[in-house]
Amino acid sequence: AQTVTQSQPEMSVQEAETVTLSCTYDTSENNYYLFWYKQPPSRQMILVIRQEAYKQQNATENRFSVNFQKAAKSFSLKISDSQLGDTAMYFCALLTYNNNDMRFGAGTRLTVKP
Amino acid sequence: EAQVTQNPRYLITVTGKKLTVTCSQNMNHEYMSWYRQDPGLGLRQIYYSMNVEVTDKGDVPEGYKVSRKEKRNFPLILESPSPNQTSLYFCASSLDRDRAGEAFFGQGTRLTVV
Repeated sequence: AQTVTQSQPEMSVQEAETVTLSCTYDTSENNYYLFWYKQPPSRQMILVIRQEAYKQQNATENRFSVNFQKAAKSFSLKISDSQLGDTAMYFCALLTYNNNDMRFGAGTRLTVKP
Repeated sequence: EAQVTQNPRYLITVTGKKLTVTCSQNMNHEYMSWYRQDPGLGLRQIYYSMNVEVTDKGDVPEGYKVSRKEKRNFPLILESPSPNQTSLYFCASSLDRDRAGEAFFGQGTRLTVV
């Protein structure tokens, strides 16, 4: 079975600083994708970043980057130069090649303070 | 504009009264899915569909039905709603299963069963 764990229910960060959100997962598959989604108060789900498990290089999208540690089954999200608009729920998710369902973590509520 | 449209956005109903939440996408996507979001649990997949007339159970299918008679529509049916189905529901679509992580999400349906 696939599981995704986000151990930080809530976090806060000062504007312009850097914050890291943690995510660990478990799967017996060797080929899979990992994702981070952002859900602002509007409830919209927005894909922030994705990582293919076979790629060793960590994915980066502007101020967002990941630290993918395959052996440790860890997939943390780093947000640099935090902005007020980054305030949202963040979900980590796992999609395996051989299964057709997406598994999400419980989410981390991030608040960026001015 | 590419979008996934869910209706209604908000619904309050009574136990046992059948209801349908509609979902429609205008992107000719093959893969569609339904999720429910509950505090502390993140998003959990209810059902998904790989293509027309092809549907399968996700993580939490009990008490729900779906159909995929047309590519663009994927309604979620609650034959006899119960209070434990009070939740926030999301429909999502993606080009295909391999791109399920890059899904377009609907705006969500807040369902309350009393």
